This record gives sequence, C-alpha cells and structure tokens, in this order.
Amino acid sequence: AQKITQTQPGMFVQEKEAVTLDCTYDTSDPSYGLFWYKQPSSGEMIFLIYQGSYDQQNATEGRYSLNFQKARKSANLVISASQLGDSAMYFCAMTGAGGGNKLTFGTGTQLKVEL
Amino acid sequence: DTAVSQTPKYLVTQMGNDKSIKCEQNLGHDTMYWYKQDSKKFLKIMFSYNNKELIINETVPNRFSPKSPDKAHLNLHINSLELGDSAVYFCASSQEGSLGSGNIQYFGAGTRLSVL
Repeated sequence: AQKITQTQPGMFVQEKEAVTLDCTYDTSDPSYGLFWYKQPSSGEMIFLIYQGSYDQQNATEGRYSLNFQKARKSANLVISASQLGDSAMYFCAMTGAGGGNKLTFGTGTQLKVEL
Repeated sequence: DTAVSQTPKYLVTQMGNDKSIKCEQNLGHDTMYWYKQDSKKFLKIMFSYNNKELIINETVPNRFSPKSPDKAHLNLHINSLELGDSAVYFCASSQEGSLGSGNIQYFGAGTRLSVL
C-alpha cells in the first residue's frame, strides 16, 4: 500500500519569496512516480510536476522544482518567486508499480500568497 | 480545446434518483480514471479503464457503474443516489497505465454533485 503525508494544512508566503511544501511518502514498490497538483479556488486540478523514482536529477518546471530525497522518502515542492496566483490547495500524490497507475493523494496544503 | 472535459459541471438532484456524468478526452490517451473528492478535499480513486477495459475497481458501492464506449470516453452512472454521494467527481486520463512520465494524469474540471 502507498501512503502520502502532507503535514502542513496551511502555509503563508510573501509575494516574490520562495516556499517549500512538504511531502513524505511510504511505499514498498521499488519503482514509483511522485506528482504535485494545484487546485485553485475554481476547483480544477492542475498537474505541476512529476518525478520518477529512478530519475537521477530533481524535476523542475519553470518556478516549480521537486526536492526529491529518496532515502528520506520525501518529495517537497519548492515554488520560487511566489505570485498571488499561486494561492491554492496543493496536493502531493504518487503511483506505484503495483497500483495499476492509481494516484494516491495526500491531504493537501492550502497556500496563501500575501502582498 | 479542453483536453479532458466533463459534463455537467454542477448536478443537483434528489435522493433516490439516477444520474450520469460524462467524460471525454481528446488527448489520444489510452487510460481514463474517475476520482472522488469529499467535503474535506480528500481525493480517492474509484475506477480506471485502459482501452475500454476495467483495470481498477476500488471499494465503491455497486450503485456506481462506469462505462467506456471507446477509449476517449468514460462515463459514470450512479443509481439510487444517497446523501453521502455528494462530492466532486473528477475524470482524468493518461497516455498509458504503467509507470513513467507517460502516466501523468490530466484532470477534467470536476463535477460537483449535490444530493438533497
């Protein structure tokens, strides 16, 4: 079974600052994928970034980077130069080899970007 | 063009009714999914189809029946709706159903179901 833990129910960050959203995972699968999704107040789920368990380098997509520490089983999302439009709920999720590609989600972190 | 589209966006209905939610993807993906997001925003997989074949069927009441007429469509039919079915239902699709960057799931905008 896979499990995702997000321990920060809410976070605040000042505009233009960087913020790290924490995510730890647990799985017995040797091969897995890690994902971050953004859900703004309008409700849609937006894919942000993907990291494969065998990828040597941390994934980056524009202002988003995934700080992957395999030994610690963590996959933190770093958002650089925060913008007001980054205010949203952020979900960490994973898939595993034995899961039929189903996404297992964490409980989410509500991020608020302030002026 | 919307990649994964769901209809309707909002659905308000009475207990005991039967309703359907439609999902279509124009990404050419082989695998489609239904997820449920509850009132606490927790998301959980319900079903997954790969090329019209059911591959994931989580512990979901059999009042919920997915139907995939072709690999671009995955509809969700719900019989005898109950108050507890009120939630947001998301459809998603991915290129393939196995691990790798090809399994990134793209979501529809969600259907907010309210059962009164």
